[in-house]
Amino acid sequence: GEDVEQSLFLSVREGDSSVINCTYTDSSSTYLYWYKQEPGAGLQLLTYIFSNMDMKQDQRLTVLLNKKDKHLSLRIADTQTGDSAIYFCAGGQAGTALIFGKGTTLSVSS
Amino acid sequence: EAGVAQSPRYKIIEKRQSVAFWCNPISGHATLYWYQQILGQGPKLLIQFQNNGVVDDSQLPKDRFSAERLKGVDSTLKIQPAKLEDSAVYLCASSLDLGLGNNEQFFGPGTRLTVL
Repeated sequence: GEDVEQSLFLSVREGDSSVINCTYTDSSSTYLYWYKQEPGAGLQLLTYIFSNMDMKQDQRLTVLLNKKDKHLSLRIADTQTGDSAIYFCAGGQAGTALIFGKGTTLSVSS
Repeated sequence: EAGVAQSPRYKIIEKRQSVAFWCNPISGHATLYWYQQILGQGPKLLIQFQNNGVVDDSQLPKDRFSAERLKGVDSTLKIQPAKLEDSAVYLCASSLDLGLGNNEQFFGPGTRLTVL
């Protein structure tokens, strides 16, 4: 079945860019998602990319997809302290459950 | 638009006791999911409903876990008897599921279960 791998921690300074990486095994995932989870809260969808796209930009967020290498990344420009959270990469198809990675804890220092 | 509601937010029980969680999805959302999130892990699917029918319960430990969505709206997840390893956050999510395109899942705040 699908397996999704992420680096566990990332620490950046306020104002820098953050890049969170993810690799996945199931090439049949038609959508790849990035979710954000703040302490004690549920998951908030940040952005998603369709599998036939290479890049998607949404304000401070840029998603890059390398389908050949099954590698997904999320870049957050001008990272703020409010961006400190756990970020989950997830894959899935329309109408099916999502397969999540273990999450990357982003720590932003001022 | 109201989000996905879950209750209770927190629950502490002793092992071998039973517990039930409740979820009310976003109005009109046909698909409802229960995920289990163990500390330090990503959420993992327990069960998926489409209206009041089960789509996927392959990862539900059926000897102790049960779930229902009788009228195709809200849902309950029950654990009986609970084990220490059931300590986790139980997340409910719903999606509109029009059968085309991205099918965004909206998550509730979760129920944090501690089994002592």
